[in-house]
Amino acid sequence: GDSVTQMEGSVTLSEEAFLTINCTYTATGYPSLFWYVQYPGEGLQLLLKATKADDKGSNKGFEATYRKETTSFHLEKGSVQVSDSAVYFCALSMNTGFQKLVFGTGTRLLVSP
Amino acid sequence: SQTIHQWPATLVQPVGSPLSLECTVEGTSNPNLYWYRQAAGRGLQLLFYSVGIGQISSEVPQNLSASRPQDRQFILSSKKLLLSDSGFYLCAWTRGAENIQYFGAGTRLSVL
Repeated sequence: GDSVTQMEGSVTLSEEAFLTINCTYTATGYPSLFWYVQYPGEGLQLLLKATKADDKGSNKGFEATYRKETTSFHLEKGSVQVSDSAVYFCALSMNTGFQKLVFGTGTRLLVSP
Repeated sequence: SQTIHQWPATLVQPVGSPLSLECTVEGTSNPNLYWYRQAAGRGLQLLFYSVGIGQISSEVPQNLSASRPQDRQFILSSKKLLLSDSGFYLCAWTRGAENIQYFGAGTRLSVL
């Protein structure tokens, strides 16, 4: 079945460092791809999305490019802040009928001052 | 604007007790509704979804059930909680064919 893989369970960075969180997917068709963020004690919020190959989603300084050839959707930010500390989930949704999200296991980002 | 409410925010229940978690959506009609569970150290697992009143689909067989008595109300229940039911429960909704899901703040359930 469809799946999303996030290999890094946690990432620790210093403020202003460059961030990459890896995400790869397996899908039988052409999914839409998402990054959701979960701040401590809260639900999930959509951070960005891309609906087709080579699309780049961006928001709040974060970017991710839909790479069909490598089945990847890596999240990047040039300079992280302490306020970016959160759990980041990569997800996919097949663009057929009812929308169901398949999530990765999440990556906890801790940014220290 | 649309909002989604979940309550309670935190719940501690003994093993074998019943459970009722409620989720309501405001500002929209006929939403698709979802219940997810996030177990400690794991990703989100879709438990149930609903496309309309009384229409419930289960993704994973388990100790839980869901109901949708009204258009914008989604309830997660259990007759007898197990230790393994502990986790963070999230409700979400989508509009029709839109593929963005909007999440509530979640309920943290501890079964002791």
